[in-house]
Amino acid sequence: GAVVSQHPSRVICKSGTSVKIECRSLDFQATTMFWYRQFPKKSLMLMATSNEGSKATYEQGVEKDKFLINHASLTLSTLTVTSAHPEDSSFYICSARDLGGSYEQYFGPGTRLTVT
Amino acid sequence: AQKITQTQPGMFVQEKEAVTLDCTYDTSDQSYGLFWYKQPSSGEMIFLIYQGSYDEQNATEGRYSLNFQKARKSANLVISASQLGDSAMYFCAMGRGATNKLIFGTGTLLAVQP
Repeated sequence: GAVVSQHPSRVICKSGTSVKIECRSLDFQATTMFWYRQFPKKSLMLMATSNEGSKATYEQGVEKDKFLINHASLTLSTLTVTSAHPEDSSFYICSARDLGGSYEQYFGPGTRLTVT
Repeated sequence: AQKITQTQPGMFVQEKEAVTLDCTYDTSDQSYGLFWYKQPSSGEMIFLIYQGSYDEQNATEGRYSLNFQKARKSANLVISASQLGDSAMYFCAMGRGATNKLIFGTGTLLAVQP
């Protein structure tokens, strides 16, 4: 089956620093990737839709300057949390749609970010 | 507005019994998809089953079946013959639009008891 990886799986950073999270589709090409955020015991909240070769589309209330998304190739999208603060601590999950597929989204294993 | 509602924060079921997890949705779109995902404590999202809005037959995948009632806007997940490994959080989601971006419900935490 289709595999999506995320790196790192877990990161701890100091307040004020920036953190980059990578999302890769390992065995398929993805023109569209999605970034979600999940607080403990809560649902997934869509942050943005990442399109290869163009600007990401952010959901209402998500700061685009805070959460920088780059979709440089058909297999890689990155989310950079800039000037991180403790309230940015969360579980970040990406998903990808297969270029040749239909409806299914394949999810990465998630990245747990802790800002101290 | 698009919305997914899961009214059961938690459910218990005995091993080998069947369980139904409720999901209702609200949309004005004619074309949409309904998904169920399982999220164990490790965090990964595991795809279980999909139902397209134009599909007339209820979707089935092994022990999972989706009870799709379009007029009532409900898409309940039925798990038959529950196993201990089924204990997890279950999310209902709706996909819409060309990008098929997903809107998730609040989830139901299922505990399977021996």
